[in-house]
Amino acid sequence: QQQVKQSPQSLIVQKGGISIINCAYENTAFDYFPWYQQFPGKGPALLIAIRPDVSEKKEGRFTISFNKSAKQFSLHIMDSQPGDSATYFCAARRTGANNLFFGTGTRLTVIP
Amino acid sequence: GAGVSQSPSNKVTEKGKDVELRCDPISGHTALYWYRQSLGQGLEFLIYFQGNSAPDKSGLPSDRFSAERTGGSVSTLTIQRTQQEDSAVYLCASSFPSGGADTGELFFGEGSRLTVL
Repeated sequence: QQQVKQSPQSLIVQKGGISIINCAYENTAFDYFPWYQQFPGKGPALLIAIRPDVSEKKEGRFTISFNKSAKQFSLHIMDSQPGDSATYFCAARRTGANNLFFGTGTRLTVIP
Repeated sequence: GAGVSQSPSNKVTEKGKDVELRCDPISGHTALYWYRQSLGQGLEFLIYFQGNSAPDKSGLPSDRFSAERTGGSVSTLTIQRTQQEDSAVYLCASSFPSGGADTGELFFGEGSRLTVL
């Protein structure tokens, strides 16, 4: 059973556009929501993360929006660049736990 | 090395053979994780080690899968009697335990790509 549901599976965006990836969860015990970025042939790396006590977190061109009541969170990439082309995974972690439950990933392609 | 090291990077084996995949975590990281990445399936949690505590094996898909961590450092994931559906990239990650201001960020290796013919 997928603990974190992610969409879309793939996304093509024009350079300079906004990329939006969505995730949803059911377990209210989750208290930490990171996004990982993975380039081909590499392992995933932490991009940005949020805790449920805030509704938004921004780091440069990357923003997480969090809706606790809807149990949804999303990643927005502003001014998308070809170098952002990668697979993005959302994830969630339960309070007191260490392992992460990952979504199925979104392959983002930014075309020049 | 500075990062998580995994070996082999690629492994091709025949159905029914046993395979061992190795992970060398970042020095000082007490937590170690194994994940499996299959096409369209995302990252599937397999097993988690934390210090000297009993490992969390809740993600292992069958009793053909096992893992050990010797001396709190290097870990080996063993798959016995491999099946074609075991073909995937096996990723290892390590971290400090989460708590307080520490987010428990996972640092991943580049993975071991397993192909079962």
